[in-house]
Amino acid sequence: NAGVTQTPKFRVLKTGQSMTLLCAQDMNHEYMYWYRQDPGMGLRLIHYSVGEGTTAKGEVPDGYNVSRLKKQNFLLGLESAAPSQTSVYFCASSRGGAVRNSLAKNIQYFGAGTRLSVL
Amino acid sequence: RKEVEQDPGPFNVPEGATVAFNCTYSNSASQSFFWYRQDCRKEPKLLMSVYSSGNEDGRFTAQLNRASQYISLLIRDSKLSDSATYLCVVKGTGGGNKLTFGTGTQLKVEL
Repeated sequence: NAGVTQTPKFRVLKTGQSMTLLCAQDMNHEYMYWYRQDPGMGLRLIHYSVGEGTTAKGEVPDGYNVSRLKKQNFLLGLESAAPSQTSVYFCASSRGGAVRNSLAKNIQYFGAGTRLSVL
Repeated sequence: RKEVEQDPGPFNVPEGATVAFNCTYSNSASQSFFWYRQDCRKEPKLLMSVYSSGNEDGRFTAQLNRASQYISLLIRDSKLSDSATYLCVVKGTGGGNKLTFGTGTQLKVEL
Protein backbone atom coordinates (compact mmCIF):
# COMPACT_ATOMS: atom_id res chain seq x y z
CA ASN A 1 0.00 0.00 0.00
CA ALA A 2 1.87 3.07 -1.29
CA GLY A 3 -0.23 5.76 0.46
CA VAL A 4 0.61 9.15 -1.05
CA THR A 5 3.15 9.26 -3.85
CA GLN A 6 4.72 12.43 -5.23
CA THR A 7 6.70 12.81 -8.44
CA PRO A 8 9.29 14.06 -9.08
CA LYS A 9 11.35 14.02 -5.87
CA PHE A 10 13.74 16.73 -7.04
CA ARG A 11 13.63 19.33 -9.77
CA VAL A 12 15.68 22.34 -10.82
CA LEU A 13 14.02 24.96 -12.99
CA LYS A 14 15.11 28.18 -14.59
CA THR A 15 13.07 31.31 -13.98
CA GLY A 16 10.09 31.37 -16.33
CA GLN A 17 9.94 27.63 -16.95
CA SER A 18 6.81 25.65 -16.21
CA MET A 19 6.31 22.30 -14.57
CA THR A 20 3.69 20.04 -13.05
CA LEU A 21 3.99 18.12 -9.79
CA LEU A 22 1.95 14.95 -9.54
CA CYS A 23 0.38 13.56 -6.39
CA ALA A 24 -1.32 10.18 -6.32
CA GLN A 25 -3.07 8.48 -3.40
CA ASP A 26 -4.39 4.94 -3.20
CA MET A 27 -6.42 5.28 0.01
CA ASN A 28 -9.66 6.39 -1.70
CA HIS A 29 -9.48 9.70 0.17
CA GLU A 30 -11.88 12.48 -0.73
CA TYR A 31 -9.70 15.44 0.20
CA MET A 32 -6.27 16.34 -1.12
CA TYR A 33 -3.90 19.24 -0.38
CA TRP A 34 -0.77 20.91 -1.65
CA TYR A 35 1.57 22.64 0.83
CA ARG A 36 4.90 24.36 0.63
CA GLN A 37 7.41 24.33 3.48
CA ASP A 38 10.05 26.99 3.90
CA PRO A 39 12.53 27.46 6.75
CA GLY A 40 10.94 29.26 9.68
CA MET A 41 7.55 29.41 7.95
CA GLY A 42 6.09 26.01 8.60
CA LEU A 43 3.71 24.31 6.21
CA ARG A 44 1.52 26.67 4.22
CA LEU A 45 -1.49 25.53 2.23
CA ILE A 46 -1.39 26.39 -1.48
CA HIS A 47 -4.56 24.77 -2.83
CA TYR A 48 -6.83 21.95 -1.81
CA SER A 49 -9.62 19.78 -3.18
CA VAL A 50 -12.65 18.27 -1.46
CA GLY A 51 -13.46 15.90 -4.28
CA GLU A 52 -12.96 14.98 -7.91
CA GLY A 53 -13.44 18.02 -10.13
CA THR A 54 -13.22 20.54 -7.28
CA THR A 55 -10.39 22.82 -6.20
CA ALA A 56 -10.08 25.75 -3.79
CA LYS A 57 -7.45 28.31 -2.82
CA GLY A 58 -5.44 28.01 0.32
CA GLU A 59 -3.24 30.50 2.10
CA VAL A 60 -0.64 31.08 -0.65
CA PRO A 61 -2.22 30.26 -4.04
CA ASP A 62 -0.60 32.92 -6.23
CA GLY A 63 1.59 31.56 -9.02
CA TYR A 64 0.13 28.05 -8.78
CA ASN A 65 -2.73 26.18 -10.43
CA VAL A 66 -4.19 22.79 -9.60
CA SER A 67 -6.43 20.17 -11.12
CA ARG A 68 -8.26 17.13 -9.75
CA LEU A 69 -9.56 15.29 -12.78
CA LYS A 70 -9.44 11.91 -11.04
CA LYS A 71 -10.14 11.22 -7.39
CA GLN A 72 -6.74 9.66 -6.80
CA ASN A 73 -4.66 12.40 -8.47
CA PHE A 74 -3.99 16.03 -7.59
CA LEU A 75 -1.73 18.04 -9.88
CA LEU A 76 0.11 21.24 -8.96
CA GLY A 77 1.27 23.45 -11.82
CA LEU A 78 3.73 26.31 -11.94
CA GLU A 79 3.15 28.25 -15.15
CA SER A 80 6.14 30.59 -14.90
CA ALA A 81 8.50 29.62 -12.11
CA ALA A 82 10.09 32.31 -9.93
CA PRO A 83 12.98 32.04 -7.44
CA SER A 84 10.46 32.74 -4.64
CA GLN A 85 8.90 29.37 -5.45
CA THR A 86 12.05 27.52 -4.40
CA SER A 87 10.72 25.32 -1.63
CA VAL A 88 9.81 21.82 -0.53
CA TYR A 89 6.34 20.87 -1.73
CA PHE A 90 4.22 18.32 0.09
CA CYS A 91 1.01 16.71 -1.01
CA ALA A 92 -1.40 15.27 1.53
CA SER A 93 -4.75 13.52 1.58
CA SER A 94 -7.45 12.95 4.16
CA ARG A 95 -10.55 10.83 4.34
CA GLY A 96 -12.86 13.82 4.69
CA GLY A 97 -16.47 13.10 4.01
CA ALA A 98 -19.63 13.47 6.02
CA VAL A 99 -18.62 11.51 9.11
CA ARG A 100 -19.29 13.77 12.08
CA ASN A 101 -17.31 14.07 15.29
CA SER A 102 -14.52 11.95 13.94
CA LEU A 103 -10.90 12.91 14.39
CA ALA A 104 -9.95 10.22 11.90
CA LYS A 105 -11.46 12.00 8.92
CA ASN A 106 -9.26 15.05 9.60
CA ILE A 107 -5.93 13.24 9.74
CA GLN A 108 -3.76 14.12 6.77
CA TYR A 109 -1.26 11.70 5.25
CA PHE A 110 1.70 13.16 3.44
CA GLY A 111 3.81 12.25 0.46
CA ALA A 112 7.60 12.26 0.68
CA GLY A 113 7.88 15.74 -0.82
CA THR A 114 9.35 17.41 -3.89
CA ARG A 115 12.40 19.63 -3.54
CA LEU A 116 12.18 22.38 -6.12
CA SER A 117 14.89 24.93 -6.89
CA VAL A 118 14.22 27.82 -9.23
CA LEU A 119 17.36 29.55 -10.47
CA ARG B 1 -0.43 36.78 16.22
CA LYS B 2 0.24 33.43 14.57
CA GLU B 3 -2.65 30.97 14.54
CA VAL B 4 -0.47 28.27 16.08
CA GLU B 5 2.65 29.15 18.06
CA GLN B 6 5.43 26.89 19.26
CA ASP B 7 8.84 27.41 20.81
CA PRO B 8 11.25 26.44 18.00
CA GLY B 9 13.86 25.06 20.42
CA PRO B 10 16.09 23.18 20.03
CA PHE B 11 15.49 21.22 23.19
CA ASN B 12 18.65 19.24 23.91
CA VAL B 13 18.00 16.49 26.45
CA PRO B 14 19.88 13.40 27.62
CA GLU B 15 18.57 9.96 26.83
CA GLY B 16 16.02 8.89 29.42
CA ALA B 17 14.90 12.41 30.25
CA THR B 18 11.34 13.67 30.30
CA VAL B 19 10.61 16.62 28.04
CA ALA B 20 7.48 18.68 27.45
CA PHE B 21 6.44 20.96 24.63
CA ASN B 22 3.63 23.48 24.66
CA CYS B 23 1.73 25.03 21.82
CA THR B 24 -0.83 27.83 21.83
CA TYR B 25 -3.57 28.47 19.29
CA SER B 26 -5.50 31.67 18.60
CA ASN B 27 -8.88 30.45 17.33
CA SER B 28 -11.04 29.50 20.29
CA ALA B 29 -13.44 27.69 17.95
CA SER B 30 -10.77 25.22 16.80
CA GLN B 31 -12.14 21.73 16.73
CA SER B 32 -9.41 19.14 16.43
CA PHE B 33 -5.83 18.94 17.54
CA PHE B 34 -2.89 16.77 16.61
CA TRP B 35 0.83 16.32 17.09
CA TYR B 36 2.84 15.41 14.02
CA ARG B 37 6.46 14.40 13.90
CA GLN B 38 8.83 15.43 11.12
CA ASP B 39 12.29 13.94 10.71
CA CYS B 40 14.97 15.92 8.90
CA ARG B 41 14.22 16.14 5.17
CA LYS B 42 11.17 13.86 5.52
CA GLU B 43 7.44 14.33 5.42
CA PRO B 44 5.32 15.05 8.52
CA LYS B 45 3.73 11.97 10.07
CA LEU B 46 0.94 11.78 12.60
CA LEU B 47 2.25 11.13 16.11
CA MET B 48 -1.06 11.31 17.92
CA SER B 49 -4.42 12.98 18.02
CA VAL B 50 -5.24 15.05 21.09
CA TYR B 51 -8.47 14.28 22.88
CA SER B 52 -10.31 16.71 25.14
CA SER B 53 -9.69 14.56 28.21
CA GLY B 54 -6.03 14.02 27.37
CA ASN B 55 -4.57 10.81 26.06
CA GLU B 56 -1.52 8.65 26.29
CA ASP B 57 0.25 6.47 23.76
CA GLY B 58 3.16 4.62 25.27
CA ARG B 59 5.76 7.18 26.35
CA PHE B 60 3.79 10.06 24.85
CA THR B 61 1.06 12.03 26.61
CA ALA B 62 -0.97 14.80 25.03
CA GLN B 63 -3.12 17.31 26.89
CA LEU B 64 -5.58 19.95 25.71
CA ASN B 65 -6.55 23.03 27.69
CA ARG B 66 -9.38 24.75 25.83
CA ALA B 67 -9.77 27.53 28.40
CA SER B 68 -6.18 28.64 27.95
CA GLN B 69 -5.99 27.53 24.34
CA TYR B 70 -2.91 25.41 24.60
CA ILE B 71 -1.86 21.87 23.81
CA SER B 72 1.02 20.01 25.36
CA LEU B 73 3.09 16.96 24.50
CA LEU B 74 5.05 15.08 27.14
CA ILE B 75 7.69 12.53 26.19
CA ARG B 76 8.94 10.25 28.94
CA ASP B 77 12.14 8.18 28.87
CA SER B 78 13.43 9.93 25.76
CA LYS B 79 15.16 7.80 23.14
CA LEU B 80 17.75 8.84 20.57
CA SER B 81 15.14 7.96 17.95
CA ASP B 82 12.80 10.64 19.35
CA SER B 83 15.08 13.32 17.87
CA ALA B 84 12.89 15.14 15.37
CA THR B 85 10.76 18.25 14.94
CA TYR B 86 7.33 18.09 16.58
CA LEU B 87 4.56 19.99 14.85
CA CYS B 88 1.48 21.22 16.68
CA VAL B 89 -1.52 21.04 14.36
CA VAL B 90 -4.97 22.56 14.73
CA LYS B 91 -8.12 22.18 12.67
CA GLY B 92 -10.26 25.30 12.49
CA THR B 93 -13.90 25.73 11.66
CA GLY B 94 -13.68 26.24 7.91
CA GLY B 95 -14.49 23.70 5.24
CA GLY B 96 -12.11 21.29 3.59
CA ASN B 97 -10.78 19.90 6.88
CA LYS B 98 -7.95 22.40 6.59
CA LEU B 99 -5.21 22.07 9.17
CA THR B 100 -2.95 24.84 10.48
CA PHE B 101 0.56 23.72 11.31
CA GLY B 102 2.88 25.29 13.83
CA THR B 103 6.48 25.86 12.77
CA GLY B 104 7.61 23.03 15.01
CA THR B 105 9.75 22.40 18.07
CA GLN B 106 13.06 20.69 17.49
CA LEU B 107 14.09 17.95 19.91
CA LYS B 108 17.60 16.53 20.10
CA VAL B 109 18.12 13.55 22.38
CA GLU B 110 21.77 12.97 23.25
CA LEU B 111 23.76 10.13 24.84
